Amino acid sequence: KAGVTQTPRYLIKTRGQQVTLSCSPISGHRSVSWYQQTPGQGLQFLFEYFSETQRNKGNFPGRFSGRQFSNSRSEMNVSTLELGDSALYLCASSTGQYNEQFFGPGTRLTVL
Amino acid sequence: EDKVVQSPLSLVVHEGDTVTLNCSYEVTNFRSLLWYKQEKKAPTFLFMLTSSGIEKKSGRLSSILDKKELFSILNITATQTGDSAVYLCAVCGSARQLTFGSGTQLTVLP
Repeated sequence: KAGVTQTPRYLIKTRGQQVTLSCSPISGHRSVSWYQQTPGQGLQFLFEYFSETQRNKGNFPGRFSGRQFSNSRSEMNVSTLELGDSALYLCASSTGQYNEQFFGPGTRLTVL
Repeated sequence: EDKVVQSPLSLVVHEGDTVTLNCSYEVTNFRSLLWYKQEKKAPTFLFMLTSSGIEKKSGRLSSILDKKELFSILNITATQTGDSAVYLCAVCGSARQLTFGSGTQLTVLP
């Protein structure tokens, strides 16, 4: 079974721009969660989508948004990029009630 | 708010040593505790522990969950240089989202 895939793998943007990241979950997984990982803050939860609905949201500003499509693929968008948004963005998919999550390879975003 | 604290923050050992990594947690309506290994890439799943599965073992790695004392340990026996990584602990509670600890950086020297 194919794992979680994320595109693009690397991205360089400048302050003020916006970016869209994509995540395809493991086949059959309906839950997709997004995380931001930085050296100083560790893994921070952004939001979770389940059956096209946002089920949970972390403590991030409204510049961070997401959506999920009927095929469970998910996108996250960051508008008006700031230098502090530079991070590894990870997507994870799950199907069980215990939230056993499997991670994609991540998208490394650099904001200049 | 759910909380996970891992210790030690870092650990340096030699090949063949046995290590124990600790994870204590506070969570509303515990559902599960998960361990991940992260090298220079995304975290890879190791174990999930729940109320019905408080001990797991895979090769040289094993983990136990103490729901009464709210902690878990990850043991690695006969360590190898390939075990060098950050080990992350996460808990899932009533909010159904994972809260991660800051991780333990394990370095295994040859």
